[in-house]
Amino acid sequence: DAGVIQSPRHEVTEMGQEVTLRCKPISGHNSLFWYRQTMMRGLELLIYFNNNVPIDDSGMPEDRFSAKMPNASFSTLKIQPSEPRDSAVYFCASSLRVGQEDNQPQHFGDGTRLSIL
Amino acid sequence: KNEVEQSPQNLTAQEGEFITINCSYSVGISALHWLQQHPGGGIVSLFMLSSGKKKHGRLIATINIQEKHSSLHITASHPRDSAVYICAVSSYATDKLIFGTGTRLQVFP
Repeated sequence: DAGVIQSPRHEVTEMGQEVTLRCKPISGHNSLFWYRQTMMRGLELLIYFNNNVPIDDSGMPEDRFSAKMPNASFSTLKIQPSEPRDSAVYFCASSLRVGQEDNQPQHFGDGTRLSIL
Repeated sequence: KNEVEQSPQNLTAQEGEFITINCSYSVGISALHWLQQHPGGGIVSLFMLSSGKKKHGRLIATINIQEKHSSLHITASHPRDSAVYICAVSSYATDKLIFGTGTRLQVFP
């Protein structure tokens, strides 16, 4: 089975540039999550979608960050304009949510290592 | 105070030793997750549990809901177990995970 696929694996760009990270969740999963990992703050949830609808975006740092999920098999996280403090590893994860209380394990992609110079 | 606390932050062991990593949380949860992250690598879900104990190979995870505490045990540790182990909890009604800061484990031959 193909896991969660993220692209690119690495991105190095200059500050002020637009950055787009991509994620393809596991087929059949209906929840998708974007996380950011830094040395200082560890793993943080940025936003999550259920059935393609954003449910909680309270972790999105500021208006420079936006995320979309146009269909069940694709999501993007965009940063515009990018700043050096956005440098981090960004993970996408997906899971199958069934019912109100039945949580299933999340499956993580390999992450995108982003460096803003 | 963090909602999810892990201890120890760093742990070194000799190959073959029994290892315990602890996790305490302060919020109501529907499940607790143990994740593994190798250096420079992705994140793998090891366990998801809401009560009792689960075992997978040399790994055992336990949870005490009343005490809001979980432990991850590794029996007969091996250098390939060297990784960061992360505890995370998911709240009622959402899949939203709240993460601990992780425990960095190094197992030496």
